[in-house]
Amino acid sequence: GQQLNQSPQSMFIQEGEDVSMNCTSSSIFNTWLWYKQEPGEGPVLLIALYKAGELTSNGRLTAQFGITRKDSFLNISASIPSDVGIYFCAGRGGSNYKLTFGKGTLLTVNP
Amino acid sequence: GAVVSQHPSWVICKSGTSVKIECRSLDFQATTMFWYRQFPKQSLMLMATSNEGSKATYEQGVEKDKFLINHASLTLSTLTVTSAHPEDSSFYICSARGAASAKNIQYFGAGTRLSVL
Repeated sequence: GQQLNQSPQSMFIQEGEDVSMNCTSSSIFNTWLWYKQEPGEGPVLLIALYKAGELTSNGRLTAQFGITRKDSFLNISASIPSDVGIYFCAGRGGSNYKLTFGKGTLLTVNP
Repeated sequence: GAVVSQHPSWVICKSGTSVKIECRSLDFQATTMFWYRQFPKQSLMLMATSNEGSKATYEQGVEKDKFLINHASLTLSTLTVTSAHPEDSSFYICSARGAASAKNIQYFGAGTRLSVL
């Protein structure tokens, strides 16, 4: 089955620093999604990507759909304490309607 | 983004009882709904997929007689954990997806924390 490798597993950064995390897939996806999950809550959609090479921003967040369609990255600029949470990438292949999730990146921001 | 409401947010029950969790899409018609289970510090594990008016499709290893799913309308799906046992304690999250015109984005509910005593 499809597998997603998400890295890093966790990050401890100082407020104001930039953050980068990425996901790579063993197979091609036609959609990449990035979600954030806070403790005791469901995932909230941050950015959706639909085309290879697509670069999309949402405030301080920027994500890109890799040109090979097997990877995606998420950048957070000028981090703030409320950025704390677990970030998940998720991909969906061609005819497969199910999302495949990465294992998540736990982000901790020290004020 | 679209809103998915999940209820209850947490429930404590005795072993052997059944628990029903509701998932509603509030501002769109959900042609497909998904139920996930999440253990602490782990990713989401898909349990089953349901299309409105059809039987749910369960993932390998998920007992369909234990986790009953009903998707009776385009805005409501329910998950019933039957004869719950302590090992069923987990965080259950529903997700809903609208028609193709909505770019097939999945929106998630806030989750239900189930504790079985």
